[in-house]
Amino acid sequence: SQQGEEDPQALSIQEGENATMNCSYKTSINNLQWYRQNSGRGLVHLILIRSNEREKHSGRLRVTLDTSKKSSSLLITASRAADTASYFCATGGSWGKLQFGAGTQVVVTP
Amino acid sequence: EADIYQTPRYLVIGTGKKITLECSQTMGHDKMYWYQQDPGMELHLIHYSYGVNSTEKGDLSSESTVSRIRTEHFPLTLESARPSHTSQYLCASSAWTGTDTQYFGPGTRLTVL
Repeated sequence: SQQGEEDPQALSIQEGENATMNCSYKTSINNLQWYRQNSGRGLVHLILIRSNEREKHSGRLRVTLDTSKKSSSLLITASRAADTASYFCATGGSWGKLQFGAGTQVVVTP
Repeated sequence: EADIYQTPRYLVIGTGKKITLECSQTMGHDKMYWYQQDPGMELHLIHYSYGVNSTEKGDLSSESTVSRIRTEHFPLTLESARPSHTSQYLCASSAWTGTDTQYFGPGTRLTVL
């Protein structure tokens, strides 16, 4: 079964607005990662948060992790048209490979 | 951009043909992966390898096979392509760092007529 589930499935916003997406998972993890996929391309790693961290920032990205609720959120601030992509969460654990969620499709309109 | 390459980028082929999708990385990563992804959908792990001569089946059953004779090379083969194999195939690699962060190739979009 899918380890990570993302919400919403799709999100449409205007440039300059913030985009927030959530990821829930089922089992204990060592870390949680977020990836971006532009249409028809491979995934690109964005940010990693370890299980003992609660919040992490990278440029316009802010990730939070609540291990008690088994959930994470990704916030993209001041979005741009170039942020249009699918965003996937992935959980890493002792099993040696990542478990990917179903993704959130984000469309940013000028 | 990560140093992981996939060829061909696009392949349109008839039913029954044998195909090999190539994946190479120059990062010296021991771990490599193949995912299958339909447009706009989730990734499904179909094969992975933790090093030379190591291959394992992933979470999604696949009729494809893989080999790992060299660290940098992880080709995927379909002996007899069928329309149900039409999909995007993504190759990825990672190092033994403890985080399993993966680096992806650009993908091969396969269409079987």
